[in-house]
Formats: sequence, structure tokens, C-alpha cells
Amino acid sequence: AQSVTQPDIHITVSEGASLELRCNYSYGATPYLFWYVQSPGQGLQLLLKYFSGDTLVQGIKGFEAEFKRSQSSFNLRKPSVHWSDAAEYFCAVGAPNTGFQKLVFGTGTRLLVSP
Amino acid sequence: EPEVTQTPSHQVTQMGQEVILRCVPISNHLYFYWYRQILGQKVEFLVSFYNNEISEKSEIFDDQFSVERPDGSNFTLKIRSTKLEDSAMYFCASSGGRLEAFFGQGTRLTVV
Repeated sequence: AQSVTQPDIHITVSEGASLELRCNYSYGATPYLFWYVQSPGQGLQLLLKYFSGDTLVQGIKGFEAEFKRSQSSFNLRKPSVHWSDAAEYFCAVGAPNTGFQKLVFGTGTRLLVSP
Repeated sequence: EPEVTQTPSHQVTQMGQEVILRCVPISNHLYFYWYRQILGQKVEFLVSFYNNEISEKSEIFDDQFSVERPDGSNFTLKIRSTKLEDSAMYFCASSGGRLEAFFGQGTRLTVV
């Protein structure tokens, strides 16, 4: 069964600084990988996804993520954080070829942005 | 931009009562899902639905839960007899293929 680990519960970053949120997954093959963002009181918005091909994927709001098979990781990055990026970020994995796209989520990382 | 719509945004119910959470998926999508998020915890899969039947369900989705697509546009989650531990944010999602799911804004269910 798939599992996702987000080792950082909270991260605080200064506005304008770079950001990296960590995500490690467990799955027997290459899974489908997603990052979602949840602002307070809001739903889940898809930031980016990886299915195959180029291991560096670009998403919305200036985010990118890199799939590293050797490390079973899919870390999310942003070169310069804005105050509006403060939110909770969830990494999720889906299993290809299982017929239906059930997602397994990590526990989330709460991003705080300091002035 | 098409979106998944959930109603109500917040529902308060007494323990033991039945609740129905409603969702309008994106119109050309074929796969539908319910997830829940207990406060402070991760988002958990409940059930997936395709071709008018449940395709997969989690251990959480016991006999107290049911899903239905009554009229070809709505997708509902019913909890027959709510318990305190059912208090959570419930997310509906839909996808057009088997890959990318779009989530609604959620319904916060509070059982008192």
C-alpha cells in the first residue's frame, strides 16, 4: 500500500526567501504524485502533479517540484515566498493502474511566512 | 473555470441524526470521491464512485455511510446515525479520467 511522509509539521520562512517542503513516498513502482494547498477554511487546490516524463514539474503560483526516484521523494520548492503562500501543503500519491484514483495524503506541512 | 461545489458549507447536527452532504461535481467528470479531514489530521479517502456504483471504499466507510448520484448531477454522502467522531471536514472530488482529482471547498460537519 502507498504511504506518504511529510517530515516537517511546521515551517517558517521569511517573505522573499526560498522554500522547500519535503515529501517522501512509499510505493512499489513510480506513483502519481501531487501537491495540494489548503488555505485556512478553504478546500484543496492542486498546485502541481507528476505522472511521468520530465522529473521537474512546474505548477501554479510559481511552485515547482522534483521527482527523485532514487530518494522516493517529491519535494516542493519556490524560489521566493510571498505572504499569501501561508497555508497548509499536502503531498499525495496515487497508484497507477489501479483503476480509480484514490489518493493517499501526507499529514501536511503548515507554512508560516514572516515579514 | 469549472469547479466542484459542495453544500452546505457548515452543518451542525445532533448525535444519532441522519445527515446528507451534497456535491455537484464538474459536469463532464465520471469519477467521484469523498474524503474527510478530522481537525488537525490528514485528509483520508472514504469512497470512490464510478458508473453508478462504489468502486472502492476505505475501512472508515462502514454501514453508516452511503453514497448516491440521484439525478446525474448531484453526488451525495449520507451518514445514517451520526456519532461525535464523525465531526470533520468532508471533501467531495471528481475527476475526468483516472488521474487528476478536483476538490470542492468542503462541508464542515459538527456533531453535538
